[in-house]
Amino acid sequence: EAQVTQNPRYLITVTGKKLTVTCSQNMNHEYMSWYRQDPGLGLRQIYYSMNVEVTDKGDVPEGYKVSRKEKRNFPLILESPSPNQTSLYFCASSADRVAEQFFGPGTRLTVL
Amino acid sequence: GESVGLHLPTLSVQEGDNSIINCAYSNSASDYFIWYKQESGKGPQFIIDIRSNMDKRQGQRVTVLLNKTVKHLSLQIAATQPGDSAVYFCARGGGSQGNLIFGKGTKLSVKP
Repeated sequence: EAQVTQNPRYLITVTGKKLTVTCSQNMNHEYMSWYRQDPGLGLRQIYYSMNVEVTDKGDVPEGYKVSRKEKRNFPLILESPSPNQTSLYFCASSADRVAEQFFGPGTRLTVL
Repeated sequence: GESVGLHLPTLSVQEGDNSIINCAYSNSASDYFIWYKQESGKGPQFIIDIRSNMDKRQGQRVTVLLNKTVKHLSLQIAATQPGDSAVYFCARGGGSQGNLIFGKGTKLSVKP
């Protein structure tokens, strides 16, 4: 089944404790992206990757890092999480930047 | 700055009626628009897209209309069903970053 998977689905952590949210897709897509969704603000792009080893900032990149060492994986790293990063995070992938983006199920992160 | 927005945050319709969800955008250079459906607890799901060189596109029970003169697009759902209850987002895509600029969303409620 073609899908985007994320782990964990739910995470509660404390300020400053480094964490990684994994994202994997099995569709051989070149383009991958991370979004955060907040009430009243909708979905906003954090980082994106056009291909392996190619990543770039989206609209709200502060406090986040990503890597793209393999085509299928695109982890989101929070080196020192803060409460304002409490949000619902979605990973997405597509064949290219103008193709339909497939979203993962989301990761709900709470930073205390 | 660029924005994509919806006219109404909520819409309630009777089962079997047609639904129309509207969206306005500000960037004339946008070349690709997409409608997504997000059910509670899930990631956004692609419904239909339309390129800027088109005015209308039809899918199964859905039609998207694009009016470039007034920078407006709409999603029409025919014979709305309870399973159509969700939050609907319009998004602008195809930019150099490949990111999707999402509107805030309209919550569609279908009354039996």
